[in-house]
Amino acid sequence: AQTVTQSQPEMSVQEAETVTLSCTYDTSESDYYLFWYKQPPSRQMILVIRQEAYKQQNATENRFSVNFQKAAKSFSLKISDSQLGDAAMYFCAYLMDSNYQLIWGAGTKLIIKP
Amino acid sequence: DGGITQSPKYLFRKEGQNVTLSCEQNLNHDAMYWYRQDPGQGLRLIYYSQIVNDFQKGDIAEGYSVSREKKESFPLTVTSAQKNPTAFYLCASSMRTGWQETQYFGPGTRLLVL
Repeated sequence: AQTVTQSQPEMSVQEAETVTLSCTYDTSESDYYLFWYKQPPSRQMILVIRQEAYKQQNATENRFSVNFQKAAKSFSLKISDSQLGDAAMYFCAYLMDSNYQLIWGAGTKLIIKP
Repeated sequence: DGGITQSPKYLFRKEGQNVTLSCEQNLNHDAMYWYRQDPGQGLRLIYYSQIVNDFQKGDIAEGYSVSREKKESFPLTVTSAQKNPTAFYLCASSMRTGWQETQYFGPGTRLLVL
């Protein structure tokens, strides 16, 4: 069975600095998608970044980038120049190419210190 | 505006009562999903639907029911058989064509038991 593990329940970073959130997953599939979602206090789930497993190039969206290590089954999220608005729960999620189910990690709470 | 709407924002249920949560999307997405989120946990899939008049159980379908009579709408009924319904419920949709697997979320409904 596929599982997603986020080993950091909480992380804190000084405003304007860089922080990396960890995610590992377990699967026997070769084709899949990986996602990072952000859930601010409003509780709206917002897509941050996505990665297709067949792409070797790491995805980047402005200040957000991933380090995708397929062999190690690792998918970390790097946030550069952290801003107060980045404070939220961050969830890593895995989607098999063959079905609809997103498998979610338990989340990491990110605190931004001013 | 294109997006996903959920109503109500807060819902109160009395013992033995069935309640229905609304989810509507105008993104022309084929697939729709219902998730449950409990404090400190990731999302768990309740039901999903790939096309109109078709839906499948997720990991925690017991005590819930759904219908998909229109492409735009995927209501969730929390029945009296669900003994612990207090949670945050999120609806999502996706295009479900090749790379467009990304799920987009509504703002959520918080269900509380009186």
